[in-house]
Amino acid sequence: KQEVTQIPAALSVPEGENLVLNCSFTDSAIYNLQWFRQDPGKGLTSLLLIQSSQREQTSGRLNASLDKSSGRSTLYIAASQPGDSATYLCAVNTGNQFYFGTGTSLTVIP
Amino acid sequence: SAVISQKPSRDICQRGTSLTIQCQVDSQVTMMFWYRQQPGQSLTLIATANQGSEATYESGFVIDKFPISRPNLTFSTLTVSNMSPEDSSIYLCSGGGGADTQYFGPGTRLTVL
Repeated sequence: KQEVTQIPAALSVPEGENLVLNCSFTDSAIYNLQWFRQDPGKGLTSLLLIQSSQREQTSGRLNASLDKSSGRSTLYIAASQPGDSATYLCAVNTGNQFYFGTGTSLTVIP
Repeated sequence: SAVISQKPSRDICQRGTSLTIQCQVDSQVTMMFWYRQQPGQSLTLIATANQGSEATYESGFVIDKFPISRPNLTFSTLTVSNMSPEDSSIYLCSGGGGADTQYFGPGTRLTVL
């Protein structure tokens, strides 16, 4: 069974700092991987989707990479802002099932 | 992209009653899913809602407790039956998946007294 782990569980950084969130998965037979953000008490907002054949995707200040063979993905956030404070979740799609990580709770301090 | 709405956004229910949550997508999606997110936890998939046929349930979830309907490609309902306080969670529906981006509704926050 696919297991998805996110490290760190919580992260606090000063505004303006660049940061990296990590996601690892145990089975490299994935269809794609998606990063989400979740604000407290809210649903999930899709940030980036990386297909299994891709190495990275970029959207604004966000860059997500995928190394399928090693079972790793990273989400890079440049020039962090207080509005980036949220929980970030990665989800692995095996084709008929989605497996979610436990999330990284990010706080950006003004 | 797809926009997904859910009703109700929150509810407080008594033990032993049932609640039906509605999920509406603004465009046709191949796949729709229902998740549960317990306090402080990540998401757990309840089932895949199949259009015109019975839902596919994950281990630990059964149709008698969580009946699901999906009459067309844009709408689905999840019923939480015979509720107990342990059912207090956020329930989320999503649409898309496969090779496409998966989009989520805003969630339904359920409290069972």
